[in-house]
Amino acid sequence: AQSVTQLGSHVSVSEGALVLLRCNYSSSVPPYLFWYVQYPNQGLQLLLKYTTGATLVKGINGFEAEFKKSETSFHLTKPSAHMSDAAEYFCAVSEGSSASKIIFGSGTRLSIRP
Amino acid sequence: DAGVTQSPTHLIKTRGQQVTLRCSPKSGHDTVSWYQQALGQGPQFIFQYYEEEERQRGNFPDRFSGHQFPNYSSELNVNALLLGDSALYLCASSLAGSKNIQYFGAGTRLSVL
Repeated sequence: AQSVTQLGSHVSVSEGALVLLRCNYSSSVPPYLFWYVQYPNQGLQLLLKYTTGATLVKGINGFEAEFKKSETSFHLTKPSAHMSDAAEYFCAVSEGSSASKIIFGSGTRLSIRP
Repeated sequence: DAGVTQSPTHLIKTRGQQVTLRCSPKSGHDTVSWYQQALGQGPQFIFQYYEEEERQRGNFPDRFSGHQFPNYSSELNVNALLLGDSALYLCASSLAGSKNIQYFGAGTRLSVL
């Protein structure tokens, strides 16, 4: 069975500050890991993914995440927050195969203070 | 290149009715997955279709059923609607063998009164 825990349902940072959204996962098989972003009244947009290979993955809009197997973590970071980053962020896990359901965390709402 | 498209965007039904939601996958994709996202929660997997067959299913009752057509488009049907079925229904498409990269549509917002 697989599961995802996102620490903090709401994170608020100042514009220009570091963004850190925490995610821990549980998986009995090698996982694929994802971060998705959801803007109000929209669907989900893939920010970045880890499948195999390099554990530090870079995504769109300046975000990156590091897969740490020993810590079962996949935290999302961005060095400098922008007002346009305000949205809901979902960490997700699936089995390491091409056809598998994706299990999502409960989400973290990111707010940016001017 | 059109992405994943879903219709309708909004729908209002009453308890006990039946509803059909539609999804057209991204061009070149052959696999469609459906998710239910209740307000303030993460999406939950309903089922996945590939080659016109249900390949995987989440913990949803038989009231939820689906279909995939030869052109890879898909429908989600929900019978005997309950108030608790009110949610955003998301369709995602992917290509078999693509390391499970799923692209999502904007969703259909279903309200059950």
